Amino acid sequence: DAGITQSPRHKVTETGTPVTLRCHQTENHRYMYWYRQDPGHGLRLIHYSYGVKDTDKGEVSDGYSVSRSKTEDFLLTLESATSSQTSVYFCAISVRDRGSNYGYTFGSGTRLTVV
Amino acid sequence: TQLLEQSPQFLSIQEGENLTVYCNSSSVFSSLQWYRQEPGEGPVLLVTVVTGGEVKKLKRLTFQFGDARKDSSLHITAAQPGDTGLYLCAGAPGNQFYFGTGTSLTVIP
Repeated sequence: DAGITQSPRHKVTETGTPVTLRCHQTENHRYMYWYRQDPGHGLRLIHYSYGVKDTDKGEVSDGYSVSRSKTEDFLLTLESATSSQTSVYFCAISVRDRGSNYGYTFGSGTRLTVV
Repeated sequence: TQLLEQSPQFLSIQEGENLTVYCNSSSVFSSLQWYRQEPGEGPVLLVTVVTGGEVKKLKRLTFQFGDARKDSSLHITAAQPGDTGLYLCAGAPGNQFYFGTGTSLTVIP
């Protein structure tokens, strides 16, 4: 078990308010990712990190920012939440399997509703 | 436009039946992965295929990577209710993985 936890699990917020989601891992993995999952779109990459203070944009980064001040924590912030950001958010880490291939281990997700 | 198209989108079958789901693209992938996701949880990695024509078996699940590395299939033999879930494929044309929209499988006891 890679030990990846997301908080909160559920959140309802109002349009225009800032929201921060937290991802915590316990095994010192270098790469961490934030995805959102929506019906008809599958999982889409928002931002990812390849080390402390090293981050980059993904496919759907507009309206989101991230920070990684410690290896174990990767934060996703919605600066001013909009209804289009209602979604399920997943954090993932990249781990190597027995065949030396990289794959993702996902957290259990945060269901965010913006009203 | 989705980079990876999965079909069928929904599938409902009786316990004991066989099934195949597909993951197709016009892009060539250096590797392709399959995940299963249960309600309220994150996806769980099942397998990674990297070589064109490669076949991998995981108990009753058989995964195949197309010869041209543009498509993949997942075959389940004698499906069981525990196989119920959303099956996602993910491919990396470069150094970033893109996910398909998934096939939602329901196995009826």
